[in-house]
Amino acid sequence: DTGVSQDPRHKITKRGQNVTFRCDPISEHNRLYWYRQTLGQGPEFLTYFQNEAQLEKSRLLSDRFSAERPKGSFSTLEIQRTEQGDSAMYLCAYRDRGFGANVLTFGAGSRLTVL
Amino acid sequence: AQTVTQSQPEMSVQEAETVTLSCTYDTSESDYYLFWYKQPPSRQMILVIRQEAYKQQNATENRFSVNFQKAAKSFSLKISDSQLGDAAMYFCAYRKGGSEKLVFGKGTKLTVNP
Repeated sequence: DTGVSQDPRHKITKRGQNVTFRCDPISEHNRLYWYRQTLGQGPEFLTYFQNEAQLEKSRLLSDRFSAERPKGSFSTLEIQRTEQGDSAMYLCAYRDRGFGANVLTFGAGSRLTVL
Repeated sequence: AQTVTQSQPEMSVQEAETVTLSCTYDTSESDYYLFWYKQPPSRQMILVIRQEAYKQQNATENRFSVNFQKAAKSFSLKISDSQLGDAAMYFCAYRKGGSEKLVFGKGTKLTVNP
């Protein structure tokens, strides 16, 4: 039980297509995060939400990327006009106080392959 | 900008032996947190251990411990009595106090040999 469900787990698409990933926290968490992990690299911060408000976006999040969290529960990350460089694992995470304050718990991720 | 460097792309250890993974970071902040995350093949990333910069005592979680050298900006992870299930990518991460962003290193791939 990761505490967060991500769907789909793997998406293969052709360049130029749009894709959407969904993140569902199993229980309520007011802070939700998106990270991107390319092959051989550590995860990189994309954006985060406090409830439904998107409070910070990385410069990595180009105009083709948009994230939403309409009711402060699940979140979606959409990539328009995909490029091969978008191929990566997209990780969702929430803030967990289990170890004390401010620890992130990650989902299993959604892997995107752009052909 | 803060950076995290893991200088060992790959490490290997014999089962039951001890291994140390290195991590250095660059920051001018005094309030920050450091983390080690483990990412097994095709599985989600999980927290191994965390350290608050203001704490002088090194964190310990069962077989996992850290050597936090604040002046040297070094944060190494020691795994004692290595087990086959410890095989994974290990990521060192940094978070500035008051920030929501984790900055990760590139990772170290740990192989545990039976």
